[in-house]
Amino acid sequence: QQQVKQSPQSLIVQKGGISIINCAYENTAFDYFPWYQQFPGKGPALLIAIRPDVSEKKEGRFTISFNKSAKQFSLHIMDSQPGDSATYFCAASLGGFNKFYFGSGTKLNVKP
Amino acid sequence: NAGVTQTPKFRILKIGQSMTLQCTQDMNHNYMYWYRQDPGMGLKLIYYSVGAGITDKGEVPNGYNVSRSTTEDFPLRLELAAPSQTSVYFCASSATSKSSYEQYFGPGTRLTVT
Repeated sequence: QQQVKQSPQSLIVQKGGISIINCAYENTAFDYFPWYQQFPGKGPALLIAIRPDVSEKKEGRFTISFNKSAKQFSLHIMDSQPGDSATYFCAASLGGFNKFYFGSGTKLNVKP
Repeated sequence: NAGVTQTPKFRILKIGQSMTLQCTQDMNHNYMYWYRQDPGMGLKLIYYSVGAGITDKGEVPNGYNVSRSTTEDFPLRLELAAPSQTSVYFCASSATSKSSYEQYFGPGTRLTVT
């Protein structure tokens, strides 16, 4: 059973547009929801994360929206740039340190 | 400060061979993890460790073994390699701080079993 479902699988956005990636989770005990960014040939790197006691977190052009009742969270990239072209993974974990469950990834292509 | 380093970067194994993927971190992190990444499947946790001498299974542990004799090193052992183990393997580490659960990933090892 897939604990975290991510969509879309791929996304093409024009420069300056808004990129939106969605994730849904099953386990209501999850208490930490990070988003990771991965460039080709590199390991994932933490982009932004949220805990379920807040509904939104913003860091620069990146925003996480969290809907606890719907068990969904999403990543919004405002003013998308070609340098944002990468694969994005959502994840969820229990207690933070131990078992992280990752979504299947979204390959974002921002066209100039 | 090199962060998380992994060796080798690439490896081709024949079916039935064995090998060890090396992982070292210099951030004094207690928590370390091994993931595999298959195309379109995200990352799956193989094993993790909460400190030297303590390891536990993740989602997909079959066919793998780990050990953690020091804080810095967390090698992953593949015994009797199978084509299903063809994947990209990532090692990660994190600090035991409730203010941040960030995992730091290594560059990965691309393994092909033929």
